[in-house]
Amino acid sequence: EAQVTQNPRYLITVTGKKLTVTCSQNMNHEYMSWYRQDPGLGLRQIYYSMNVEVTDKGDVPEGYKVSRKEKRNFPLILESPSPNQTSLYFCASRPAPRRVQFFGPGTRLTVL
Amino acid sequence: GQNIDQPTEMTATEGAIVQINCTYQTSGFNGLFWYQQHAGEAPTFLSYNVLDGLEEKGRFSSFLSRSKGYSYLLLKELQMKDSASYLCAVRDDRGSTLGRLYFGRGTQLTVWP
Repeated sequence: EAQVTQNPRYLITVTGKKLTVTCSQNMNHEYMSWYRQDPGLGLRQIYYSMNVEVTDKGDVPEGYKVSRKEKRNFPLILESPSPNQTSLYFCASRPAPRRVQFFGPGTRLTVL
Repeated sequence: GQNIDQPTEMTATEGAIVQINCTYQTSGFNGLFWYQQHAGEAPTFLSYNVLDGLEEKGRFSSFLSRSKGYSYLLLKELQMKDSASYLCAVRDDRGSTLGRLYFGRGTQLTVWP
């Protein structure tokens, strides 16, 4: 089944404890993105990647890192999480810029 | 930057028709998407417009006017399961932001019996 998967789906952590949210797609898509979604603010892009080893900042990249070592995986790294990073995170992928974007199921992160 | 505006909330009754509007301002516009998102779930694709006019897909239709920077999503024969947030997203093809999607804040639609 063609899909975007994220893990974990839910995570409660404490300030400063490094964490990684994994994202994987099995559709051979070149473009992948990370978004966060907060009430009243909508979906905001954190980082995106146009291919292996090619990444760029979105609108809210501060406090996040990404890597794209393989086409299928695009992990999101929070080196030192803070409470303002408590949010619902979505990974997404699409085959090309002008094609439909598919979203993963989301990761609900709480930083205490 | 991008300026995407849509109403925060709308309500309607089962069986009715509702129109959700979206206005945008972006210099590199090259397409507009509508997504549906149920609470706590991922957005799912509904429709895509790049040329002016109406695209119909079952109970859902989407319209685009590029000259006016305006789109709407029309939902007919509303059902309770249509209660969700509807997201308008525009594609910006400028320079290094080639193909980026920018999302509006979403319109929360509540369908009453």
